[in-house]
Amino acid sequence: QITLKESGPTLVKPTQTLTLTCTFSGFSLSTSGVGVGWIRQPPGKALEWLTLIYWNDDKRYSPSLKSRLTITKDTSKNQVVLTMTNMDPVDTATYYCAHARYSGIVPAAPSSFDPWGQGTLVTVSS
Amino acid sequence: QSALTQPASVSGSPGQSITISCTGTSSDVGSYNLVSWYQQHPDKAPKVMIYEVSKRPSGVSNRFSGSKSGNTASLTISGLQAEDEADYYCCSYAGRSPVVFGGGTKLTVL
Repeated sequence: QITLKESGPTLVKPTQTLTLTCTFSGFSLSTSGVGVGWIRQPPGKALEWLTLIYWNDDKRYSPSLKSRLTITKDTSKNQVVLTMTNMDPVDTATYYCAHARYSGIVPAAPSSFDPWGQGTLVTVSS
Repeated sequence: QSALTQPASVSGSPGQSITISCTGTSSDVGSYNLVSWYQQHPDKAPKVMIYEVSKRPSGVSNRFSGSKSGNTASLTISGLQAEDEADYYCCSYAGRSPVVFGGGTKLTVL
């Protein structure tokens, strides 16, 4: 059974850097075809894909946020870390991590995100 | 890349069928069979219902089906049930990005 859980601060100040950790079980990020993605959802709004990392350390970022995002993996700890710099109140959202299955059809394209973590609400406010 | 276009809301009565559309471009939805659909109940994490346009994960009811024509993908739910009331999001491969979500559709079961 695959499970994921997000952890990190619930409140950050504007201009600060957010660091979130996704701790997972039931799979290994050293296994071919496996990835972990981050997706966020502002209150009452739609899902927005942020970033993705695969077993081979291939990393992809949302073009609109690329300059602010960094994703890394620690295979030995079964963790993926998301860093987002220069936080702003518009970044207030629930942040989800999810297991990604590499499609094998197109480079770095996931087949699906399944399952997802429970999400963590991050509020950006002074 | 721009979000995929979905209707803001759809509704149907129990037992009926509804279809939710997801319109993109030849660079995303129309490029490969890499469209997935997610169901999200209030205050819950999304759950995949369809992947690679029309494949159903184990455990998902066969009342849920997916299809694609050109740059538009569709999710059809047949035999609507009260428990189907939720938000639905499409997701597609989007080139070098390589992921984009739709704006979401609120399904109301009357």
